Amino acid sequence: GAGVSQSPRYKVAKRGQDVALRCDPISGHVSLFWYQQALGQGPEFLTYFQNEAQLDKSGLPSDRFFAERPEGSVSTLKIQRTQQEDSAVYLCASSSWDSPLGAEAFFGQGTRLTVV
Amino acid sequence: QKEVEQNSGPLSVPEGAIASLNCTYSDRGSQSFFWYRQYSGKSPELIMFIYSNGDKEDGRFTAQLNKASQYVSLLIRDSQPSDSATYLCAVSGDSSYKLIFGSGTRLLVRP
Repeated sequence: GAGVSQSPRYKVAKRGQDVALRCDPISGHVSLFWYQQALGQGPEFLTYFQNEAQLDKSGLPSDRFFAERPEGSVSTLKIQRTQQEDSAVYLCASSSWDSPLGAEAFFGQGTRLTVV
Repeated sequence: QKEVEQNSGPLSVPEGAIASLNCTYSDRGSQSFFWYRQYSGKSPELIMFIYSNGDKEDGRFTAQLNKASQYVSLLIRDSQPSDSATYLCAVSGDSSYKLIFGSGTRLLVRP
């Protein structure tokens, strides 16, 4: 596709419900990132994939958060037993192999998660 | 202390003026510095990146880096109302791939 695509754009979940957020990166991009952006704050790093390998998951807030990218393309961020503090915009970004990581990171439109 | 600090603003400037956005960072080992623009409800969009001390110009935008002072700034010349947005400063940490963002400065350009 032309850009990073995320779905759904908006998700309302009841507290305790499990959710799955999808990211379709730019075709051919090796690197994929998930960030969490709370209202009025900058994005915060959650996790990083290089192809299918999850090289860094240090930013995941708790073991309720899980991300995968099984075939090195589409990625899914799953949040189990959602809590109100999980309400945020979840941004996915991708970049190509030969660019300085981050310099050419393209962000998707994000999924706005509201936990009620 | 947050790793990347920005004044939240809003910074209000008249159309045609120079807007100056500032950012300080705490990790002296930081190597790469980025400015993103984010319109309300939209995703961050990369405007500039800079690696070396000094100035880097791209059209109406100039990024300035001073590693000794741990300071990076973005100048926007001839500001337009369409420049009104939140500007996010980001720094790559030790692991280079991980971006650490500030909270952003909201810029308002008055017609």
